[in-house]
Amino acid sequence: DADVTQTPRNRITKTGKRIMLECSQTKGHDRMYWYRQDPGLGLRLIYYSFDVKDINKGEISDGYSVSRQAQAKFSLSLESAIPNQTALYFCATSDLLLRDTDTQYFGPGTRLTVL
Amino acid sequence: AQSVAQPEDQVNVAEGNPLTVKCTYSVSGNPYLFWYVQYPNRGLQFLLKYITGDNLVKGSYGFEAEFNKSQTSFHLKKPSALVSDSALYFCAVSAYSSASKIIFGSGTRLSIRP
Repeated sequence: DADVTQTPRNRITKTGKRIMLECSQTKGHDRMYWYRQDPGLGLRLIYYSFDVKDINKGEISDGYSVSRQAQAKFSLSLESAIPNQTALYFCATSDLLLRDTDTQYFGPGTRLTVL
Repeated sequence: AQSVAQPEDQVNVAEGNPLTVKCTYSVSGNPYLFWYVQYPNRGLQFLLKYITGDNLVKGSYGFEAEFNKSQTSFHLKKPSALVSDSALYFCAVSAYSSASKIIFGSGTRLSIRP
């Protein structure tokens, strides 16, 4: 979905390096999410944010941190990358409206490789 | 606790034939059920969802899904498959009306042969 963009799209880094993945959205949604996708495991929630001042841990937050710089921007950081963080990372958004809070809109993903 | 299972890693169907991608779930209370599709090098796209009401839900691209409470299933179906339907399909479930509580299945790769 072009309304949700992620940078970079691909990144190769070394163990111990700090890396930041960025997500921007033009959908005007308040809620943003970071997931990682691993083969055979589906998507797992890392962090989510319901507004700029609200940050929550997801299922697998260890080793990650996030920053919600503005309504439209939500960044994911790996303070010291390790090989088992090699995965496909997705950002997603959802609307605050009650009728649609559960439908998510995904960015194209960032493929991260940690050597 | 809630969970979702997609028992088939891959489904192969000939173009023009009907297709079914299976999903079963476990949740306390009434479920919120979703199907998403992922095309190569793309993020997930919403296909359809069941919240309440008619057990047969119609979604994008001619897909539909049937909610079966007694069998705790939410299978995705299409009467006539297209080669362009080839993709990775994810079922998801939540016990709450909040995307932060959604659990995704492991995905089923659908391959449509010409």
